[in-house]
Amino acid sequence: AQTVTQSQPEMSVQEAETVTLSCTYDTSESNYYLFWYKQPPSRQMILVIRQEAYKQQNATENRFSVNFQKAAKSFSLKISDSQLGDTAMYFCAFMKGGITTSGTYKYIFGTGTRLKVLA
Amino acid sequence: NAGVTQTPKFQVLKTGQSMTLQCAQDMNHEYMSWYRQDPGMGLRLIHYSVGAGITDQGEVPNGYNVSRSTTEDFPLRLLSAAPSQTSVYFCASSYSQRQPQHFGDGTRLSIL
Repeated sequence: AQTVTQSQPEMSVQEAETVTLSCTYDTSESNYYLFWYKQPPSRQMILVIRQEAYKQQNATENRFSVNFQKAAKSFSLKISDSQLGDTAMYFCAFMKGGITTSGTYKYIFGTGTRLKVLA
Repeated sequence: NAGVTQTPKFQVLKTGQSMTLQCAQDMNHEYMSWYRQDPGMGLRLIHYSVGAGITDQGEVPNGYNVSRSTTEDFPLRLLSAAPSQTSVYFCASSYSQRQPQHFGDGTRLSIL
């Protein structure tokens, strides 16, 4: 069974600084997808970034980038130039790839990291 | 652009009562899921569906029922509410497994 671990329950960063949130996962699959979701105090779940395991290039979305280390099963999120609006819970998620049938479509979420950006 | 719509947003129940949380999406997504979110535990999968007429259990299915008679709707039924089911419930949908999920705004459910 797959597991996702976020070892940092809480973090804080000064506005305009850079912060890295860690995520490790355990799987025997070679084809899978990884996601970071953000949940601000409004409770909405918002996609931050997505990575396909077969792509070696790290995904980037504006100030957000990942460091994907497939062999180490690590998927960290780097937030550059942190802004007050980045204050939120951040969840790492794993999704198995391959042909989707009943029994295989299961997102596995980590327990989250609460990030606070300080003014 | 409604996306994923969950109703109600808040609900208080008494132990033993039953109710249905509604979830509807207008994006023609085949894949839909229900999660519960509890402090310190992230999101845990309750039930999911890969298409109309097809449902399967997730990590924490006990006490919950689902059905998927149409592509658009995926209701979650609490059969006999228990205080342990006090949680925030999220419904999500996606076009495919490689695409990210779209989430509803959640339902905060309290069971007394």
